Amino acid sequence: GAVVSQHPSWVICKSGTSVKIECRSLDFQATTMFWYRQFPKQSLMLMATSNEGSKATYEQGVEKDKFLINHASLTLSTLTVTSAHPEDSSFYICSANQDGNTEAFFGQGTRLTVV
Amino acid sequence: QKEVEQNSGPLSVPEGAIASLNCTYSDRGSQSFFWYRQYSGKSPELIMSIYSNGDKEDGRFTAQLNKASQYVSLLIRDSQPSDSATYLCAVKTGSARQLTFGSGTQLTVLP
Repeated sequence: GAVVSQHPSWVICKSGTSVKIECRSLDFQATTMFWYRQFPKQSLMLMATSNEGSKATYEQGVEKDKFLINHASLTLSTLTVTSAHPEDSSFYICSANQDGNTEAFFGQGTRLTVV
Repeated sequence: QKEVEQNSGPLSVPEGAIASLNCTYSDRGSQSFFWYRQYSGKSPELIMSIYSNGDKEDGRFTAQLNKASQYVSLLIRDSQPSDSATYLCAVKTGSARQLTFGSGTQLTVLP
């Protein structure tokens, strides 16, 4: 299957700081990538759809000014958690589909801990 | 009603047995169905995809789809302790680009 690489795999930051997470499709181009958040023992919740060259589409209840998404190229999307707070601590996962393909492949995930 | 529903479990089966995981969905327009396996602390890994009614087999895994009844299932034959994980059912509906996930079923295979 296609390879999606996410970095970093874990990060600890102080409350009030910002954290950037990268999601790369290594062997294919992806005009669309998806960002999910998963709290312990819960399922994946879609946060936003990242669109190459245009604004991201956010799900209801997700603050677009807090979770900044940039999809500047066909192989890279970034999620920046701004002014992070302890309640933002979670497992953040990106996914991407090869264009024209319905199967989604996930990055390794980023464990964010805000202290 | 949730769009994609799964029994949360936990489901325990002895090693070597068949594990049966079920999923129902609400949107009749759903076209693509996926099963993902997620180990604790890891991201989901695609196991099976199925698009048409019937069975699809891949090794020890068999996905079954019944669009009339709006359910999709995953059978794991000869279950192994390494199959212990949370299994997520995901559905893609119509023109939507994103997947909708069920809450997952936690499977434990007892040695």
